[in-house]
Amino acid sequence: GQQLNQSPQSMFIQEGEDVSMNCTSSSIFNTWLWYKQDPGEGPVLLIALYKAGELTSNGRLTAQFGITRKDSFLNISASIPSDVGIYFCAGPESGGSNYKLTFGKGTLLTVNP
Amino acid sequence: NAGVTQTPKFQVLKTGQSMTLQCAQDMNHNSMYWYRQDPGMGLRLIYYSASEGTTDKGEVPNGYNVSRLNKREFSLRLESAAPSQTSVYFCASSYGLGRAGYTFGSGTRLTVV
Repeated sequence: GQQLNQSPQSMFIQEGEDVSMNCTSSSIFNTWLWYKQDPGEGPVLLIALYKAGELTSNGRLTAQFGITRKDSFLNISASIPSDVGIYFCAGPESGGSNYKLTFGKGTLLTVNP
Repeated sequence: NAGVTQTPKFQVLKTGQSMTLQCAQDMNHNSMYWYRQDPGMGLRLIYYSASEGTTDKGEVPNGYNVSRLNKREFSLRLESAAPSQTSVYFCASSYGLGRAGYTFGSGTRLTVV
C-alpha cells in the first residue's frame, strides 16, 4: 500500500515558537488531511486540503497542499502548551478504495512552557 | 452529541482469551473503521465497513474478525488473543468517502499477557 512519510518524527520547542512539519509520498494524493491526537484521546481532524496549491488556515494552524500533489505542510504559529500531541497526515489511497485513509507515523510535538 | 463511543476503555486479557470491542456512532455515518495504534507504527487499518452489510480487510486483518451489526454499530473480535495484539484500538466513522475525514472514538487500550 501507499506510505506517507512524516518529518520530523518528534520536536521539542519553547512556547511561542513557530513549528513546521511535513508529509511526503511517492504517490500522488488528491486529498490531504491533518489530524491531532491529544494524549489518551483519538485523533481529531484539524484541516482538510482538496486542491493542489491550496493553502488553508484554522486559527494558528496553516496547511498547504503541495503543487506536486506528493507532499503537504503544516505550520503552527506562536505555539502554546496545549499544542502538545501527535500530528498525523492522512490521505485516501488512490487506485484503491476511496473509503480507506492511509496515515503517516506522526510527528510528536512537545512544547516547553 | 456523543460521536463515536468505544467500550471498554481498558482491558487486560490472558493469551488465548477472546473478547469483543464495541463501537457505536450516533452521527448517521455510513462507513466505519477499526485501526490499531502501536508506538512508531502510526495508525494501521484492521477492517472497515463502507456501508451497512459490507466489511473488508485492511492492512493488518489477521487475528481479527468484525461485525457490522447495524448502521450504528461495528464490533471487532479477537478470537484467541496474542501478546502481539497488545495495542490501542480506535474505531472511526465517516459519512461517505475517506477524503471527507473520519471521526474517531477515544480508543480501547488492550494488553495481552
